[in-house]
Amino acid sequence: KNQVEQSPQSLIILEGKNCTLQCNYTVSPFSNLRWYKQDTGRGPVSLTIMTFSENTKSNGRYTATLDADTKQSSLHITASQLSDSASYICVVRGSNDYKLSFGAGTTVTVRA
Amino acid sequence: GAVVSQHPSWVICKSGTSVKIECRSLDFQATTMFWYRQFPKQSLMLMATSNEGSKATYEQGVEKDKFLINHASLTLSTLTVTSAHPEDSSFYICSARPPGLAAPTDTQYFGPGTRLTVL
Repeated sequence: KNQVEQSPQSLIILEGKNCTLQCNYTVSPFSNLRWYKQDTGRGPVSLTIMTFSENTKSNGRYTATLDADTKQSSLHITASQLSDSASYICVVRGSNDYKLSFGAGTTVTVRA
Repeated sequence: GAVVSQHPSWVICKSGTSVKIECRSLDFQATTMFWYRQFPKQSLMLMATSNEGSKATYEQGVEKDKFLINHASLTLSTLTVTSAHPEDSSFYICSARPPGLAAPTDTQYFGPGTRLTVL
């Protein structure tokens, strides 16, 4: 069964600090990996998408990395802001169909 | 960017009644739409895949007679929760996949979600 595991489950950081979220997956064959931000009570919004040939992708203060060999990805948030408080979900798509495998998410709380 | 809307954003209904949730792709045609359910502090769980003009494909464990899906046009899919019960209370999210995009960069655009509370 394809799995996507994220860590930590939650974290609290002070405004202005950096943090890194982890994602390990077993989806194979692999097509792409996306990081989504989901605000409470809202639908997920895409931050980055990476294929197997990409090692890093940035979107503003968000930088995602991918190691397709070890099946690991990370999302780094730089200079966190209060608006970064949300759940961050790692989603992996296999190359066999359109179904997405979702991680349980990491809840980030940024405090002033 | 691609925009997907849902209506209503929240709904409260009595047990035993039916509730319809609409999912619309506003600026693109979606041959495929997906319906997800999300319980508190859990990730999204795929319920069904909806293809325009054909019957939806339901995931294992999802009752197709309880969760009726209609995808009558390229911009609209509806999910009807029939004879709703309190355990159906959840956050329902749809997504749409624009046509013409192929792997590996194809993506799904998510709606804002609908909060269903069954009393």
